Amino acid sequence: RKEVEQDPGPFNVPEGATVAFNCTYSNSASQSFFWYRQDCRKEPKLLMSVYSSGNEDGRFTAQLNRASQYISLLIRDSKLSDSATYLCVVNRAGTALIFGKGTTLSVSS
Amino acid sequence: ETGVTQTPRHLVMGMTNKKSLKCEQHLGHNAMYWYKQSAKKPLELMFVYSLEERVENNSVPSRFSPECPNSSHLFLHLHTLQPEDSALYLCASSQGSYNEQFFGPGTRLTVL
Repeated sequence: RKEVEQDPGPFNVPEGATVAFNCTYSNSASQSFFWYRQDCRKEPKLLMSVYSSGNEDGRFTAQLNRASQYISLLIRDSKLSDSATYLCVVNRAGTALIFGKGTTLSVSS
Repeated sequence: ETGVTQTPRHLVMGMTNKKSLKCEQHLGHNAMYWYKQSAKKPLELMFVYSLEERVENNSVPSRFSPECPNSSHLFLHLHTLQPEDSALYLCASSQGSYNEQFFGPGTRLTVL
């Protein structure tokens, strides 16, 4: 099982749609979880951290399920500018973060 | 200047050249990283430095040689590269290895 797995997509949705991404991780001792966004030919940028209680930032909601070892990202009212690759990131105990391969989102008008 | 900066932003080199990539972080972090990202591929972690000591080296060929002279600077020395080494090289920093990493804009390297 890969350390971090994501559905690569692409997810093609119209503006205004709600879209959800899931990510699973294999190391039950992982403690830190993040979603990053990467635009084409640009560096990854932190979108939000993921907390056990779940957290929301505007149109974005992140959830963590430790029992099932998965993380989710919900985007409501999608905008054209949300088109990007979304990276699920988990820490590996004692060392650096592990980045998933990313899920590509394309929002169209 | 704030955040993480990288120079040069673009580099074209022949297989026999020697060049260096530079990364500087202005965030007061104690860990720095080099990643490679080939076209349409995921990030590959190359090296990790924590408190200026190399703590991880993910089976990277010896033609890539990192250097961390202090907590704010990280270099990647390149020597006799191959065309398949052409990629985007990203530097990142963090405060502790569990915390979020902040990336520089990357150096787009082309090896001819």
